[in-house]
Amino acid sequence: SQTIHQWPATLVQPVGSPLSLECTVEGTSNPNLYWYRQAAGRGLQLLFYSVGIGQISSEVPQNLSASRPQDRQFILSSKKLLLSDSGFYLCAWSVQRTANTEAFFGQGTRLTVV
Amino acid sequence: LAKTTQPISMDSYEGQEVNITCSHNNIATNDYITWYQQFPSQGPRFIIQGYKTKVTNEVASLFIPADRKSSTLSLPRVSLSDTAVYYCLVGSGFQKLVFGTGTRLLVSP
Repeated sequence: SQTIHQWPATLVQPVGSPLSLECTVEGTSNPNLYWYRQAAGRGLQLLFYSVGIGQISSEVPQNLSASRPQDRQFILSSKKLLLSDSGFYLCAWSVQRTANTEAFFGQGTRLTVV
Repeated sequence: LAKTTQPISMDSYEGQEVNITCSHNNIATNDYITWYQQFPSQGPRFIIQGYKTKVTNEVASLFIPADRKSSTLSLPRVSLSDTAVYYCLVGSGFQKLVFGTGTRLLVSP
């Protein structure tokens, strides 16, 4: 069966520090991969979308970046965190080349920038 | 993806049936309608998906009229544990998945 791992679960970082969140998927190949952010009490904001290794679509201009060094690995990074980067970050995957819009989410990372 | 509109919040009581409607006037021919449930501090979870008419599973039913410009998620006999945010998503898996703001359902005793 397919599983998605996302870590860490919680993170407290000072303003200006770097960030690296990692997500890996098991049990499937060539997935679509997503990074979302959710501010407190708000909806899901799509940050990055990837259909393959090295293929990243950025949805929101900001100081975050994403990379996909391997087929089932998706990394969210920042060189210098801002207070506004605080939120709940979710990684997700879906099956490629299908009309199905079922996505599978990781457990999320609660990031607090102080 | 088609733009969706759903109520910001709804209140219900245990044992009642809850119907959440989503409007998607510009739905495309190849688009599917998918509903997700999200609990606090968790990722959304797939509930149900449909293309037309009615779909039912062990959790919910999804009603889609012939013009497909709206859809209704029906939760039978809700319990306190159904308190969550429910998202309607319209589109195709060939596109990126963009979620709307969702409907916050509060179930009271």
